[in-house]
Amino acid sequence: AQTVTQSQPEMSVQEAETVTLSCTYDTSESNYYLFWYKQPPSRQMILVIRQEAYKQQNATENRFSVNFQKAAKSFSLKISDSQLGDTAMYFCAFMKGYSGAGSYQLTFGKGTKLSVIP
Amino acid sequence: DGGITQSPKYLFRKEGQNVTLSCEQNLNHDAMYWYRQDPGQGLRLIYYSQIVNDFQKGDIAEGYSVSREKKESFPLTVTSAQKNPTAFYLCASSIRGASNQPQHFGDGTRLSIL
Repeated sequence: AQTVTQSQPEMSVQEAETVTLSCTYDTSESNYYLFWYKQPPSRQMILVIRQEAYKQQNATENRFSVNFQKAAKSFSLKISDSQLGDTAMYFCAFMKGYSGAGSYQLTFGKGTKLSVIP
Repeated sequence: DGGITQSPKYLFRKEGQNVTLSCEQNLNHDAMYWYRQDPGQGLRLIYYSQIVNDFQKGDIAEGYSVSREKKESFPLTVTSAQKNPTAFYLCASSIRGASNQPQHFGDGTRLSIL
């Protein structure tokens, strides 16, 4: 079974600054995908960024980027130029990368509550 | 616009009562999922369905039931056997057979005990 650990229950950052959210995972799979989801106070889950494990290059989406360290099983999210609208819960998630039993299921961490301070 | 619609937004259950949460999607996705979210627990998978008329238990299926009679719909019933149903419930869907594709989520239903 896979586990996803987010060790920072809460974090805060000044507007326009940079913040990094940590995520580690445990798996015996070699092919998998990793995701960061954002859940603002409206409670809707929004995909922020995803990373294929077979890709060495770190994914980037505008102000959001990841630091994927496969050997260390680490998948941190960096938010640059933080904005007030980034205030939300952030969840790290893992998905197996094959079509067998249990595939397509997301395993989530417990989340990090990020507050952007004006 | 395509998306996932969950209803109702708020739901109250009396002791011994079954309640059904609705989830409808018009994204033409084959796969659909139900998650439960508790404070400090993240999201946990209740049931999922990869195709019509087929579904599998997730990690916390006890006290819940589902059906998948139509591609667009995946209702979740919280039965009286679920002793602690108070939580936020999220429905999601995705393209089947493409594990790199993200799951799209609805806005959720908050269920409380009266």
